[in-house]
Parts: sequence; structure tokens; C-alpha cells
Amino acid sequence: DVKVTQSSRYLVKRTGEKVFLECVQDMDHENMFWYRQDPGLGLRLIYFSYDVKMKEKGDIPEGYSVSREKKERFSLILESASTNQTSMYLCASSLGFAGHASRDEQFFGPGTRLTVL
Amino acid sequence: QKEVEQNSGPLSVPEGAIASLNCTYSDRGSQSFFWYRQYSGKSPELIMFIYSNGDKEDGRFTAQLNKASQYVSLLIRDSQPSDSATYLCAVKGGSYIPTFGRGTSLIVHP
Repeated sequence: DVKVTQSSRYLVKRTGEKVFLECVQDMDHENMFWYRQDPGLGLRLIYFSYDVKMKEKGDIPEGYSVSREKKERFSLILESASTNQTSMYLCASSLGFAGHASRDEQFFGPGTRLTVL
Repeated sequence: QKEVEQNSGPLSVPEGAIASLNCTYSDRGSQSFFWYRQYSGKSPELIMFIYSNGDKEDGRFTAQLNKASQYVSLLIRDSQPSDSATYLCAVKGGSYIPTFGRGTSLIVHP
């Protein structure tokens, strides 16, 4: 069973704080993703990593950075938290097949509900 | 810009009925199609995957794909209250990154 874990289920931070969200997967997946999910807006991709130390911006990277020093771990960093970053943050991983009709489903962690006051 | 459209709902069906969830997509190069279920307060989990035209059945779930019309649907037969959730459609082309729809909320009432 693939397991994706996230460091916290709930987090409350103050405006301006630096926030670290950690994600670990145990199935040797190549790809890891960070999303945020807000009511009515669905899942929005923040960053994506296809290999150690490799990253690509998603649809909403502003205000965020990421780090992938080891294959199993993908960290999301909020450099200076703001109230509009209050959201549910979901980490996901996938094997990494980009070819024709590949199943390559995403496995999601339990999510971190972040509140920025 | 790749787009995946779903009716946000809520779709309300009585217990035992067939629930029909629809999804349209804009990228004709899309090759893989996924349905995820997300219970309130939980994370999405995959329930169906399809890549060829036609129907694919798994228990009470049937995924239908029509690439010419660019839609994919999910049928849930004999709907149960435990099926009440948000259903996310995801579409992937040749890249690693899927495009998700915003989801359809399904309510199955006793």
C-alpha cells in the first residue's frame, strides 16, 4: 500500500511567519506534487517535482517555494505567510509515467489545514 | 489552457438509484482519464481509470469515455448514502501532470 504522509493535519500560524509543510511517500515514486484546495476553486497545483532537486512551477507558485533533497520527501515553504494562504494543502505522489494511456494515478496524503491569522 | 469541466452540483439522488456524473475536457491530446472520490474533510482517492473509448465496469461503478465528443462520465448503480462525496474528474495527456475538474458533489438520500 502506498502511503503518503504529511507532517501536520492542522496548523495555525501568524502573518509573516515562515511555514514548512512536509510530505513523505514510501513507494519510491518519481513524481511529487503540492496542491491547495479551496471551496469552489478545486485543486490548484502549486509546485511539481519529477526528480530529486528538480521542480516546476504549477498554476499558483507565487508566495511558495519547494525543496526536494531526497526522493521520498517534498517540502512546501511559505516564505512569509499571509491570510490568503489559509487553505487545505494536499501533497500527492505518482510513479512517473508520462507515456500513452498510462495509469499513473496520484496518491494523496491526508492534507494539512493551514490557518494564517 | 487545458480545461476540465464538471457541474458542481449538488446532484441529489435517492438510495438505490443510478447517479450519473459528467465531465468534459478541452485537450484533444488527452489520453488517460481518472475519477477520484473525496469525502468531506478527507483527501481524494482513485476509484476509476479509463483510457480507451467505451465502458469500463468495476462493481457498481462504470466509467464511460467518448474521445470524439471529449467527455467522460461515471455511473454509480444502486447508489448508497456512503457514496455521498465529491467526485473529481482528472485528465492527463502526455505529461506527468493531470488537470482536475472542480468536482461534483453527490448526495444520496435514504
